[in-house]
Amino acid sequence: NAGVTQTPKFQVLKTGQSMTLQCAQDMNHEYMSWYRQDPGMGLRLIHYSVGAGITDQGEVPNGYNVSRSTTEDFPLRLLSAAPSQTSVYFCASSPDLWNTEAFFGQGTRLTVV
Amino acid sequence: DAKTTQPPSMDCAEGRAANLPCNHSTISGNEYVYWYRQIHSQGPQYIIHGLKNNETNEMASLIITEDRKSSTLILPHATLRDTAVYYCIVGTGANSKLTFGKGITLSVRP
Repeated sequence: NAGVTQTPKFQVLKTGQSMTLQCAQDMNHEYMSWYRQDPGMGLRLIHYSVGAGITDQGEVPNGYNVSRSTTEDFPLRLLSAAPSQTSVYFCASSPDLWNTEAFFGQGTRLTVV
Repeated sequence: DAKTTQPPSMDCAEGRAANLPCNHSTISGNEYVYWYRQIHSQGPQYIIHGLKNNETNEMASLIITEDRKSSTLILPHATLRDTAVYYCIVGTGANSKLTFGKGITLSVRP
């Protein structure tokens, strides 16, 4: 049982490049979410999904797109990377919306130069 | 969602109980209290959650005051591996936008 798997673990982008951060879970969880964590800060919610085909914005959605075509996968797309998007990104999943344990991936450390 | 207030840091001696406080004075009746921790830069790890009653599991105990405006996470026998940032979160289901805040940094000293 792999849990929540994020790829890649590290990435360096140039300003203006696009990329997709991958997140996959094998627990058949309905709820998935993306957070970013800046140095010395807590986690901030970017986007979340309550099930396949349903997504919604979190606290800091600008500059990011998501889609949820399957229960297992919830990719996060950066359309045109900016230095302000340098951060550590965490994906999480849970069986429902926070009334149970949420499982987090190990993070993707992104640097935009 | 209700906001939480935690002191920025605390420490305790290894083997002693660590009592981590959290204030959530604006919590509403259907909001749960959750505790997570983050060791180094790993992904956050769930510890425990509760609604009204005190809860205990193999990791910790959660004590919620009767008015639900504050809670305490208790690590009964802290070890060096418990050194981490601990986040107190309140929230509930659909359409909530949960925030972790800065948490409290617990340092367990030998």
